[in-house]
Parts: sequence; structure tokens; C-alpha cells
Amino acid sequence: KAGVTQTPRYLIKTRGQQVTLSCSPISGHRSVSWYQQTPGQGLQFLFEYFSETQRNKGNFPGRFSGRQFSNSRSEMNVSTLELGDSALYLCASSLGVLVAYSTGELFFGEGSRLTVL
Amino acid sequence: GENVEQHPSTLSVQEGDSAVIKCTYSDSASNYFPWYKQELGKRPQLIIDIRSNVGEKKDQRIAVTLNKTAKHFSLHITETQPEDSAVYFCAAFIQGAQKLVFGQGTRLTINP
Repeated sequence: KAGVTQTPRYLIKTRGQQVTLSCSPISGHRSVSWYQQTPGQGLQFLFEYFSETQRNKGNFPGRFSGRQFSNSRSEMNVSTLELGDSALYLCASSLGVLVAYSTGELFFGEGSRLTVL
Repeated sequence: GENVEQHPSTLSVQEGDSAVIKCTYSDSASNYFPWYKQELGKRPQLIIDIRSNVGEKKDQRIAVTLNKTAKHFSLHITETQPEDSAVYFCAAFIQGAQKLVFGQGTRLTINP
């Protein structure tokens, strides 16, 4: 069974540009969550999508957005990039919506490492 | 509140000794507490979890304890081995906000 796949793995952008990251969940998983990982800040929740609907959103500015497609694949977009957006962006899929936690496990991808210059 | 505080941020122990990582959460309605391990350059993976109706759970050398009254939970690793070296993240599921909030992580180093 293929794991969670994120593309691209590495990218470099300059301030003011925008970026789109992609996440393909494990087959059969309908929930996709996105997290930002920076040194010392742990994993900060960005948003969760389930059945193409955003169920929840973290405390990030509106420059951060996402969507989910009918095949459960998800994308996140960051517009008007700032230096502080440099981070590892992780997506995770789960079998059900987080509130149900039927299995309780998030399956993470390897992440997209974004560097903003 | 939606905070999860994790301590220490770094921990170094001798191989064979025990390691303990502690987390404190602020939302008394939190009901699910997983621990994830992230080896260098790899993805986080679930190693153990506990629900609020249980006080302790063990899986071989790993155990998690939960004190709901004090709102803290801990990860215990016994007989540590070099492959235990990694960053460990605790998390709490915030029932009201319906999201998983992670701690800041603990970098555990096992010295041979």
C-alpha cells in the first residue's frame, strides 16, 4: 500500500512569490491535514480537509489556503511568501475525520521543504 | 486554551538508561494523546497513544501515563537503544476545536 506522497520535496522561492504544494493520501483515506514544522515550534496545524470540505483551520493568515479534490488529493497554497514561511510542510492522512478518531493515527508524508529567500 | 507544552526540548541519556518526556495540556476536554517519533530526515510516525479513560498504556519498552487531574502526560522509554534517538512529539486532541495540537518536540539522543 503506497504511503502519503508529497510533491515537490524541495523548493526555493523568493519573497512575494506564491507556492502550491501537493499531497496524495493513502488510498481510502478521506481526511488530509496540513502542518507546518519549524525548529522549536513543533508541528503547527494549518487545516484539515475531509470529503472536499475544510473542516478546521489553524491560526495562520489568509495567505495560507488549501483545497481537496474528489479523489482526496489535497493542495495547499501560500501567497505573497515571507521569509518566515520557510519551513517543512507536512501533510497527513487518516481514515476518518479527526473528531471520530476511529483509528487515531495520522500517516504523514515526507514533507515539502520550502525555503524563501 | 489550545496549548501543549513539552519538556525538555533536548534530552541526552546513556544507552540502557531510561528517558522520560513530559507534556502539559490546557484544555480539560482533551481526550486523546498520541506520541509521534520523527527520525532524522524522516516522517513522523505514531509510536503509542492513550485515551482519556485510561491512566497508563505500555508497549514493550515504551509506556505512556496520563494524569487528567493535573492535565499532563508522559512518555517513558526504558532500556534505551541507539535507534531510539529521534525527535519525539506529544499531542493532544482538543475536543472543542476538533484538532490535534502538537508539543514543540524533544530531541532525544542516546549515547553509546
